[in-house]
Amino acid sequence: DIQMTQSPSTLSASVGDRVTITCRASQSLSTWLAWYQQKPGKAPKLLIYKASSLQSGVPARFSGSGSETEFTLTISSLQSDDFATYYCQQYTSYPLTFGGGTKVEIK
Amino acid sequence: EVHLVESGGGLVQPGGSLRLSCAASGFSFSDHYMDWVRQAAGKGLEWVGRIKNKANSYTTEYAASVKDRFSISRDDSKSSLYLHMNSLKTDDTAVYYCAGVTKDFSLADWGQGTLVTVSS
Repeated sequence: DIQMTQSPSTLSASVGDRVTITCRASQSLSTWLAWYQQKPGKAPKLLIYKASSLQSGVPARFSGSGSETEFTLTISSLQSDDFATYYCQQYTSYPLTFGGGTKVEIK
Repeated sequence: EVHLVESGGGLVQPGGSLRLSCAASGFSFSDHYMDWVRQAAGKGLEWVGRIKNKANSYTTEYAASVKDRFSISRDDSKSSLYLHMNSLKTDDTAVYYCAGVTKDFSLADWGQGTLVTVSS
């Protein structure tokens, strides 16, 4: 199985900060990686697919980059609505696997 | 607008069985692969399994943790997805989400989830 390692597990930031979350895969994914945002008690929401493609309706302050085994999710200017937990997911091979999550908290 | 609504969750004893349903609307259900993903309280997301579409012979894939105990089926005439869960364990306690798979194979649309509690 492909292991997905996210860092950091928790991140404290202020509104307006630039935030970067890293996801590392144990094997090459090419660019078959997605990022999701989840708020408490809610279903996950797709933000980025194919490593860097912005899902329709997602604000442009979110961006993704990377390939093979190293990927990043960047929020260019953190907004109050962005405090949530973020997950990466590989979909290059079964079983599909998620990273452990990064909780973005208010500093 | 895509709408996915799970149902069928509840309290079940260890070793018991349960069937979850997911009613879909707002998109061409029969064309899409569908997934189940679960989340234990305070934990991360765990992929449970997938069923492909008719063009791909309704092939299924499962996580090792549920293989041989869970099975996924679909009824395209009813735009419905099912998760049949047998030999349930306390570790299966979680919120279960159904999700629609995009052409790119990411999970763009999710239901609100249904809680399954396995406890004596």
